[in-house]
Amino acid sequence: EVQLVESGGGLVQPGGSLRLSCAASGFLFDSYWMHWVRQAPGQGLVWISRIRSDGGSTSYADSVKGRFTISRDNAKETVYLQMNSLRAEDTAVYFCARDPSPYFDILTGYYDQWGQGTLVTVSS
Amino acid sequence: EIVMTQSPATLSVSPGERATLSCGASQSLSTNLAWYQQKPGQAPRLLIYGASTRATGIPARFSGSGSGTEFTLTISSLQSEDFAVYHCQQYNTWPWTFGQGTKVEIK
Repeated sequence: EVQLVESGGGLVQPGGSLRLSCAASGFLFDSYWMHWVRQAPGQGLVWISRIRSDGGSTSYADSVKGRFTISRDNAKETVYLQMNSLRAEDTAVYFCARDPSPYFDILTGYYDQWGQGTLVTVSS
Repeated sequence: EIVMTQSPATLSVSPGERATLSCGASQSLSTNLAWYQQKPGQAPRLLIYGASTRATGIPARFSGSGSGTEFTLTISSLQSEDFAVYHCQQYNTWPWTFGQGTKVEIK
């Protein structure tokens, strides 16, 4: 059974940092692109970042570029999101999600597996 | 970026009735559109990709249609477990973007 389990969320002051983790199991983790998607309270889903299966290619939404860093450890089957210089508008549930394409450098574009999410609250 | 617009924002439907949800795109997507179901406190669940292909394990009462800029998700006979928020997502043009969601509630 495929599982994605996020952790690391919590309450942080503006300007602070958090590192989110997403532990994967039940599939060949090192074959898949992984993404982070967030959902602010009462709002829609917003793509934040993606990382290729080997970690060699990353991309970010403009809203987080320069502040957030995505990485992965294939040996630990975990993807990370380092979030620095946090702002109130970063408050959201953060989901990790898998692109179903098992092919290197090819994105399918949609997400077939999601974690349950971890809540990040940025407030003083 | 492509703006996705879902309508209505809330749809009130009785169990057993048909529900029709709409999703519009600001640019043509061909058929690069997915639909997800999300229940409170849960992760989104992939229902449809390629505008009309049901994901693994999705019941046949869910169907998707459309191409270009107009898309529809139809739930033929609503079951109690179908009351949820439904999101559309385009993956034709980077960055991938989502609609704001349609809440299907019990009438």
